Amino acid sequence: EIVMTQSPATLSVSPGERATLSCRASQSVSSNLAWYQQKPDQAPRLLIYGASIRATGIPARFSGSGSGTEFTLTISILQSEDFAVYYCQQYNNWPPITFGQGTRLEIK
Amino acid sequence: QVQLVESGGGVVQPGRSLRLSCAASGFTFSNYAMYWVRQAPGKGLEWVTLISYDGSNKFYADSVKGRFTISRDNSKNTLYLQMNSLRADDTAVYYCARGRGFGGSYFDYWGQGTLVTVSS
Repeated sequence: EIVMTQSPATLSVSPGERATLSCRASQSVSSNLAWYQQKPDQAPRLLIYGASIRATGIPARFSGSGSGTEFTLTISILQSEDFAVYYCQQYNNWPPITFGQGTRLEIK
Repeated sequence: QVQLVESGGGVVQPGRSLRLSCAASGFTFSNYAMYWVRQAPGKGLEWVTLISYDGSNKFYADSVKGRFTISRDNSKNTLYLQMNSLRADDTAVYYCARGRGFGGSYFDYWGQGTLVTVSS
């Protein structure tokens, strides 16, 4: 099973600043990595797939990078609606499909 | 527009059964693999099971293998999750999700979730 580790667990950033979230895989997942955003009492929303491809309707301030075992989600200019929990997910080696434990992005 | 609507959640005693449904609309349901993902209260996301577009192939997480069964009725555009021998650690919000592939897939649409609480 591939273990996905996200860091930090909580990230405090001011609106208008940049946020950088990390995700590490226990072994290579190539570029088969997705990022999701989840707000309280809502379902997750796909942001990025293929490590760097923005999903339909996702603003350009969200960008993904990385391959192999190290991945990054960057939110360039934080808006108030971006404060949420973010999860990475690998879909290279399955079953099981595995998620990171999440990073909570909070307002500083 | 793509919609996934789960139903069937509720409070159930340990050892009992429950069946969840997920009604799909806005896309050709029979063309897509479908998944169930759950989230225990205050916890992260856990993949549960997946089924191929035609129902011929299924995979399960070890935590539910032998107790849960995924199925689909393409004539009704509906996905199911039969949950037997429920345990307290099955308590979670259960989401159905559309996959962009079979197995090696991300999830581009999710339902709103249905809460299953296993408690005596």
